[in-house]
Amino acid sequence: DVKVTQSSRYLVKRTGEKVFLECVQDMDHENMFWYRQDPGLGLRLIYFSYDVKMKEKGDIPEGYSVSREKKERFSLILESASTNQTSMYLCASGRNYEQYFGPGTRLTVT
Amino acid sequence: QKEVEQNSGPLSVPEGAIASLNCTYSDRGSQSFFWYRQYSGKSPELIMSIYSNGDKEDGRFTAQLNKASQYVSLLIRDSQPSDSATYLCAAELDSSYKLIFGSGTRLLVRP
Repeated sequence: DVKVTQSSRYLVKRTGEKVFLECVQDMDHENMFWYRQDPGLGLRLIYFSYDVKMKEKGDIPEGYSVSREKKERFSLILESASTNQTSMYLCASGRNYEQYFGPGTRLTVT
Repeated sequence: QKEVEQNSGPLSVPEGAIASLNCTYSDRGSQSFFWYRQYSGKSPELIMSIYSNGDKEDGRFTAQLNKASQYVSLLIRDSQPSDSATYLCAAELDSSYKLIFGSGTRLLVRP
């Protein structure tokens, strides 16, 4: 079974804080992705990575950065959290085209 | 703008019926297609993938692909109340490993 884990299920942060969301997969997948999901807007790709130390911007990278120092770990960083970054954050990993999602982190920025 | 379109629903079917979920996609270059099930408050779960024209069956689920008409469908036979969820259709984007997702169809199975 594919296992993708995320560091927190729920997180509450204050405006201006730096926020780290961690994602770990145990299937030796090359590809890893960060999405956010909002009602009425669906799943939107923030960043993705096809290899260690490699990253590519998705559709909505503004206000976010990522880090992939090891193959199994892909971190999403909110440099200065804002209220419009309140959302469900979903990490996915995969090989070829299939993607498997972690449980998600519901982030609230107050 | 490349898109995957789904009817948002809800699609309501009685228990034991066949539920038919459809999606269309705009990128003629897409070769790989996926169906995800998402329960309320949970993350999407991959339930079917299909790469060739025709039907692919897995238990109560059948995925259908018609590349000429650019549509993908998911049939759920003998629908159960536990099948009530939002179903997301996804297509490979630009021959990359990225996926483009539809907004999902909410399915309600009435006991």
